[in-house]
Amino acid sequence: KQEVTQIPAALSVPEGENLVLNCSFTDSAIYNLQWFRQDPGKGLTSLLLIQSSQREQTSGRLNASLDKSSGRSTLYIAASQPGDSATYLCAVCHYNQGGKLIFGQGTELSVKP
Amino acid sequence: DAGVTQSPTHLIKTRGQQVTLRCSPKSGHDTVSWYQQALGQGPQFIFQYYEEEERQRGNFPDRFSGHQFPNYSSELNVNALLLGDSALYLCASSWNYETQYFGPGTRLLVL
Repeated sequence: KQEVTQIPAALSVPEGENLVLNCSFTDSAIYNLQWFRQDPGKGLTSLLLIQSSQREQTSGRLNASLDKSSGRSTLYIAASQPGDSATYLCAVCHYNQGGKLIFGQGTELSVKP
Repeated sequence: DAGVTQSPTHLIKTRGQQVTLRCSPKSGHDTVSWYQQALGQGPQFIFQYYEEEERQRGNFPDRFSGHQFPNYSSELNVNALLLGDSALYLCASSWNYETQYFGPGTRLLVL
């Protein structure tokens, strides 16, 4: 059974810092991995999707990496801003489970001005 | 192009009642998935619909049922509501197994 874990559960940093959020999964037979952002009480916004054959994806100040063999993904946020404050969720999609996403519990990020 | 839309945004029900939530997928998407997110938790997969049929189902009781219409929109029905059904219900649409786009959710409170 696939389990997704995100560490840390919460993180507070001063504005301008570079930071890394971690995601680990127990079954490496994934089709892809997605990182999402969720503002309080809102839906999820897709940030990056990494296919199983890819090592990383970049979008603006965000860079996500994937190491399937070790069951790890990281989301790197450069030059953090107060507007980055949100909960970040990673989710894996399996080949043999259709489009079902299995989520971690998220990392709540607070960027202080 | 409208993204994924859900209605209603908020709902208050009492135990034992039934509720129907609605979702319209993003244009061009043929697959709709439903998730339940309890406070402080990651979303949990309920089920997925493709070509008007349930393709995948998560670990949820039969009280949770759904439907997909020919225009790809979808409904989630929950019967005999329990206090523990209080959560944010999220709908996501996609084309095949690609990026899933989520709607704003429906906040359900069961009293």
